[in-house]
Amino acid sequence: QSVLTQPPSVSGAPGQKVTISCTGTSSNLGAGFDVHWYRQLPGTAPTLLIYDNNNRPSGVPDRFSGSKSGTSASLDITGLQAEDEADYYCQSYDTSLTGSVFGGGTRLTVL
Amino acid sequence: QVQLQESGPGLVKPSGTLSLTCAVSGDSISSANWWTWVRQPPGKGLEWIGEMYHTGSTNYNPSLTSRVTISVDKSKNLFSLRLRSVTAADTAVYYCARRYTGYDYLDYWGLGTLVTVSS
Repeated sequence: QSVLTQPPSVSGAPGQKVTISCTGTSSNLGAGFDVHWYRQLPGTAPTLLIYDNNNRPSGVPDRFSGSKSGTSASLDITGLQAEDEADYYCQSYDTSLTGSVFGGGTRLTVL
Repeated sequence: QVQLQESGPGLVKPSGTLSLTCAVSGDSISSANWWTWVRQPPGKGLEWIGEMYHTGSTNYNPSLTSRVTISVDKSKNLFSLRLRSVTAADTAVYYCARRYTGYDYLDYWGLGTLVTVSS
């Protein structure tokens, strides 16, 4: 049971938009801590995709965007491409655990 | 370009101690970063293990704190993970990563190393 809750899977056709949600509690997202998103391609290490709710590291296309409100956050991916098939994880800080917490991960399938 | 590289035994016996090191290049272990370990059991999600600052400050996952130690070797520019009394549930890919002080995200990750706990 992960501290942050994500849907196990989402899917979309090429060119469409998908949204991945991340729900936290009053000890993490609700306490004002930022949410960050990682993408993990099959068999590889996670890489930072979105940091501090809505910022993209250099090299990440603007098809990826994030938002946060209260205890919820979301990752939007527009113009879906086959290469977007991966697992996506949200992450934040939790005051109760005094450390980082991850969501359970969401597998994106491009139909 | 910051790079992190995990190394260590791929097989550990039950009740034994898992020991891994993470070599850092392109950055100093004494810089303003928290050096972090994350693991991922096969087919499952990511779990934060803990982190250490070069001054010796540490933060550990409460579920692992009684068994885990993270340390830093400034002379070799690397940091290490020790996990005691392992069981099959500790079988996972172990990643080392960097967290810049003042921020919560992990900006650089190693490639990961699979550790299997089995007799």
